[in-house]
Amino acid sequence: QKEVEQNSGPLSVPEGAIASLNCTYSDRGSQSFFWYRQYSGKSPELIMFIYSNGDKEDGRFTAQLNKASQYVSLLIRDSQPSDSATYLCAAGTGGFKTIFGAGTRLFVKA
Amino acid sequence: DVKVTQSSRYLVKRTGEKVFLECVQDMDHENMFWYRQDPGLGLRLIYFSYDVKMKEKGDIPEGYSVSREKKERFSLILESASTNQTSMYLCASRPLKTGPGLAGTYNEQFFGPGTRLTVL
Repeated sequence: QKEVEQNSGPLSVPEGAIASLNCTYSDRGSQSFFWYRQYSGKSPELIMFIYSNGDKEDGRFTAQLNKASQYVSLLIRDSQPSDSATYLCAAGTGGFKTIFGAGTRLFVKA
Repeated sequence: DVKVTQSSRYLVKRTGEKVFLECVQDMDHENMFWYRQDPGLGLRLIYFSYDVKMKEKGDIPEGYSVSREKKERFSLILESASTNQTSMYLCASRPLKTGPGLAGTYNEQFFGPGTRLTVL
């Protein structure tokens, strides 16, 4: 069974701090990785994707991938209360399927 | 902007009823997906379709069927609704752009707003 594991949280950080969200995946054949943000009662929306080892930055967001350790992370700098949401990590396992983690709830305190 | 729409935001049905959930995307995407999302379990794939009239079972297809007669529309059918099918149902679509590795691997999925189904 191919899996993507995330700590369910909640992860609580003060406003302005760095939030660090982590994810591990079981399928070494996974080639692409996604971070989706999901507000309560809403559908997921993509915020980052990464498929090469290393870091990828987009504004306040940085995705990190370490294929040797099968580890993906998302850093949110200068966290804002509007960042409070559930963050889903997902892995494209090849073919047509994407495996989603159960999500980490982030709470940013004003 | 990609738009994925679902026929209902909220739906209440009785046990044993046949339920149709419709999903329409307007970006000519080849791939379409149906997921259900339950607390603590994340998104679980029910069925997906990689092109018109094509369908593949996902991880939890039991009790469901699908139909894709047109490229833009992907329907999920609950043949005989049961209380354990109470859930949030999410439709998604994805373009089939090619790139390194397997086709479609690198592409994000675009989600519809979801249908919260309650089966009484």
